[in-house]
Amino acid sequence: KAGVTQTPRYLIKTRGQQVTLSCSPISGHRSVSWYQQTPGQGLQFLFEYFSETQRNKGNFPGRFSGRQFSNSRSEMNVSTLELGDSALYLCASSLGGQNNSPLHFGNGTRLTVT
Amino acid sequence: QQQVKQSPQSLIVQKGGISIINCAYENTAFDYFPWYQQFPGKGPALLIAIRPDVSEKKEGRFTISFNKSAKQFSLHIMDSQPGDSATYFCAALYNKLIFGAGTRLAVHP
Repeated sequence: KAGVTQTPRYLIKTRGQQVTLSCSPISGHRSVSWYQQTPGQGLQFLFEYFSETQRNKGNFPGRFSGRQFSNSRSEMNVSTLELGDSALYLCASSLGGQNNSPLHFGNGTRLTVT
Repeated sequence: QQQVKQSPQSLIVQKGGISIINCAYENTAFDYFPWYQQFPGKGPALLIAIRPDVSEKKEGRFTISFNKSAKQFSLHIMDSQPGDSATYFCAALYNKLIFGAGTRLAVHP
């Protein structure tokens, strides 16, 4: 069974631009979560989608948004990029039916904002 | 109160030794405690997990010890190997997974 796939692997953007990251979950998984990983802040929860609805949200500004499609694939968008948005963005999928189904992570998208 | 505190920040162990990483949490609503292993350039991978009604869980060389009253849990890696060198994250789940800050483990041959 294929794992969680994130595209692209690397992105370089300029401050003020916007970016869209994509995530394909493991087949059969209905929940997709997004995390931001930085050396200073560690792994921080952005949001979770389940059956096309946002189920949980972290403490990030409204510039960070996401959506989930009917096939469970998810996209994350960051608008008006700031230098501090440079990070590894990780997507994780799970069955989602109950809170303690394990999260399976992709290898992330490395975003650099210059 | 959803913080998970992890220590130490870094750890050096000799091959064959025992690696011990500790975590403490505050929110008693957490009901699932996984450990993740991350290699450079890769996403975190689930290593082992425990629920609060169990005090210990062992899978191969990896053991989680859980102390519900102290709100602490730890990961023990027995017979540590150079291939275990990675960053380890503890986490706790209630609606969303909250991660500790991570421990960078180096196992020297």
